[in-house]
Amino acid sequence: GQNIDQPTEMTATEGAIVQINCTYQTSGFNGLFWYQQHAGEAPTFLSYNVLDGLEEKGRFSSFLSRSKGYSYLLLKELQMKDSASYLCAVRPSNDYKLSFGAGTTVTVRA
Amino acid sequence: NAGVMQNPRHLVRRRGQEARLRCSPMKGHSHVYWYRQLPEEGLKFMVYLQKENIIDESGMPKERFSAEFPKEGPSILRIQQVVRGDSAAYFCASSSGQGGSGNTIYFGEGSWLTVV
Repeated sequence: GQNIDQPTEMTATEGAIVQINCTYQTSGFNGLFWYQQHAGEAPTFLSYNVLDGLEEKGRFSSFLSRSKGYSYLLLKELQMKDSASYLCAVRPSNDYKLSFGAGTTVTVRA
Repeated sequence: NAGVMQNPRHLVRRRGQEARLRCSPMKGHSHVYWYRQLPEEGLKFMVYLQKENIIDESGMPKERFSAEFPKEGPSILRIQQVVRGDSAAYFCASSSGQGGSGNTIYFGEGSWLTVV
């Protein structure tokens, strides 16, 4: 089976930085994805990592360490609109579907 | 997620009725996935299909649930004799099936099923 863990909730102040950690134990590895989901809406693709290291995309960055089974999503210069659930998902090898963690609800306060 | 079309967006059914959810994948995508999301829970994989084939249905309940992706037309997720526990958001997603980041899965807006 697949085991993907991330914190349930995080709170941060507008303009600050928040780091959402994700650890995984899966039957093989073929990529890690981060999605953003606002309440009542569809998940929106944020980032993809398949090699170790940091991928930066504007205010959002994602890091992967395959040997540690670990990733994080870094949100910088937080804005109120960043309040959402952030989903970590892993694609095991030889498989197209994604297995999702339960999501981390981030609340940004003024 | 623009391009993956789901309908209806909201559906209300009485216990025992049938629910039929439709999904048209993004243009150029031949892989379709259905996920279910219960309130305050994560996305749970249900089924993965390609045209005319069910590739992986390991997440589908053994009874009352079925899915298809015909040669022509949208993918259909069908729930027979619905019960209150079926109330959830059902998300369809699609991908191109090509390797690497090109196989990113994109989600539709979801279909919210309420069983009364």
